[in-house]
Amino acid sequence: NAGVTQTPKFRVLKTGQSMTLLCAQDMNHEYMYWYRQDPGMGLRLIHYSVGEGTTAKGEVPDGYNVSRLKKQNFLLGLESAAPSQTSVYFCASSQTLMESSYEQYFGPGTRLTVT
Amino acid sequence: TQLLEQSPQFLSIQEGENLTVYCNSSSVFSSLQWYRQEPGEGPVLLVTVVTGGEVKKLKRLTFQFGDARKDSSLHITAAQPGDTGLYLCAGTSGTYKYIFGTGTRLKVLA
Repeated sequence: NAGVTQTPKFRVLKTGQSMTLLCAQDMNHEYMYWYRQDPGMGLRLIHYSVGEGTTAKGEVPDGYNVSRLKKQNFLLGLESAAPSQTSVYFCASSQTLMESSYEQYFGPGTRLTVT
Repeated sequence: TQLLEQSPQFLSIQEGENLTVYCNSSSVFSSLQWYRQEPGEGPVLLVTVVTGGEVKKLKRLTFQFGDARKDSSLHITAAQPGDTGLYLCAGTSGTYKYIFGTGTRLKVLA
């Protein structure tokens, strides 16, 4: 069981270049998330999805776009990369644990450097 | 805006010592989770607490949710080098969106 996978694992971009990060989950989860992790700031939510064909903005959505055309995939796009987007990006999916509680499963992360 | 502050930010201790990590907010959460993250990997869920005053134990780890559901603590007894990692708390107000704390980086020396 692969769980949550992310591609690529590492990437270096030049300012202004574009790229797409792919997240895939095989647990049939409805909810999927993209986070970025920066030193001393924990995880911050970029965008999330509550089901196939739906997306919504999180805490730090500027400069990113997402799509969820299939339930198992959640794509994160950077149209014009900036050095401020240098970070480690994590994808997660979740299911309901109990009322008002969801267990998130995280991928291994993508380390992105923008020069 | 909901914020979760963790303390301490860094902790380096000797094997066998006890430690407590704190997660504090001015907001009320319907549930709170603790995750551990190792280098190069994503966070892994340790526990979920949902009731004010709730205490859960996971081997040498004890988790407590504050009575007012605004804070939580993680206590590790007799720490081992395998406990080394980044500990993150995360809270929700009843939706599927979680707010993550700033993290506590723990290093246990053999």
